[in-house]
Amino acid sequence: HSALTQPASVSGSPGQSITISCSGTSSDIGAYNFVSWFQQHPGKAPQLIIFDVSNRPSGLSDRFSGSKSGNTASLTISGLQADDEADYYCSSYTTKKSPIFGTGTKVTVL
Amino acid sequence: QVQLVQSGAEVKKPGASVRVSCKASGYTFTNYGISWLRQAPGQGPEWMGWINTYDGNTKYAQNFQGRVTVTTDTSTSTAYMDVSSLRSDDTAVYYCARDVNLAPATLQDYWGRGTLVTVSS
Repeated sequence: HSALTQPASVSGSPGQSITISCSGTSSDIGAYNFVSWFQQHPGKAPQLIIFDVSNRPSGLSDRFSGSKSGNTASLTISGLQADDEADYYCSSYTTKKSPIFGTGTKVTVL
Repeated sequence: QVQLVQSGAEVKKPGASVRVSCKASGYTFTNYGISWLRQAPGQGPEWMGWINTYDGNTKYAQNFQGRVTVTTDTSTSTAYMDVSSLRSDDTAVYYCARDVNLAPATLQDYWGRGTLVTVSS
């Protein structure tokens, strides 16, 4: 299992929607519905924003949504805001009984 | 509120060992596991290992088996990670995270702020 593949960067204007993809294999994303997404601002710890493919932790904005099709998961951020500018990482449980993380995507708000 | 407070930055020479601590508060320590992860500069997190804080059972990623040891002190709600035989490519920020049991998977729902470990001669 090497890292899940994400685009290096995605950008959008305030108010727009953007989607970040996370590509895996039949041994991770394709095998389970245990996909999570984390937001990480510079110098800060990762914060959980999506778990079990599409569930949000209590109190988290519904502007963040997740989905999965086959071996690829996606995170959509709608109504893009300046504070959404951060790095985003996907994660999946694997058939090796451990989690694997993505390569990371830098989101820029234009 | 859930807090995981980690020990401070460390600078080590190649071949040395390092211990990172993680003190939990705001929840019942033995109701959740603790995972340890690391993040090298410009890369995504990498899961290293996990401990069941209730019974001390551990699991390690294959890459770290034999070089990483995770323990806990339930009397102080503190988890520890020891890494031995440090190499320059072990330079990274090391995180502890609270682990929620979603059997068979676990979910790292709260993370500490990280501990920078620099390995340099």
